Amino acid sequence: GESVGLHLPTLSVQEGDNSIINCAYSNSASDYFIWYKQESGKGPQFIIDIRSNMDKRQGQRVTVLLNKTVKHLSLQIAATQPGDSAVYFCAETRYGQNFVFGPGTRLSVLP
Amino acid sequence: NAGVTQTPKFQVLKTGQSMTLQCAQDMNHNSMYWYRQDPGMGLRLIYYSASEGTTDKGEVPNGYNVSRLNKREFSLRLESAAPSQTSVYFCASSGQAELLGANVLTFGAGSRLTVL
Repeated sequence: GESVGLHLPTLSVQEGDNSIINCAYSNSASDYFIWYKQESGKGPQFIIDIRSNMDKRQGQRVTVLLNKTVKHLSLQIAATQPGDSAVYFCAETRYGQNFVFGPGTRLSVLP
Repeated sequence: NAGVTQTPKFQVLKTGQSMTLQCAQDMNHNSMYWYRQDPGMGLRLIYYSASEGTTDKGEVPNGYNVSRLNKREFSLRLESAAPSQTSVYFCASSGQAELLGANVLTFGAGSRLTVL
């Protein structure tokens, strides 16, 4: 069978559409969550964060939703643009130490 | 303001050779980290330093050593490189996010290491 770790999940969206990237986190005690964007050949870049006492947080064209009941995090990107093509990682932490990263999702924006 | 700077960007080693990856941050952050990133996998923590003078093992420390030289600099050393250490290495430092007052990791551009 296929090893999940070798192949990143890929999301393909049309330019201008909204994108939703999902992440399941592992530790119910995590109190802070971050989404990172990583473009090819570069380091991960901070996009948006959310604390565990929040359900939703909005930034410029991005929204993060947190569902603690099912330990699920999602990143919504409005009006997806070609420059949004990248790998997106979620990260969880408790007390700002020992960040744990998900495997990432590759977002591909189609013209 | 450079943020986090890593050197070298690329390196090819033979099995058994040693090398040191250098990292420096200019954001006055207390905590610094070394991660490795392998194809299709998330970032895995090798070592971290919560403050100058302290270092701790992360998830995958075997085969590596670190030195927190001062508040700005945190180096990663491979004493005897193995093909399993072929990876992209990222240094990061953490400081407070403006709005939530929580620690956010800022990453360097990465160092691609190939061990033959």
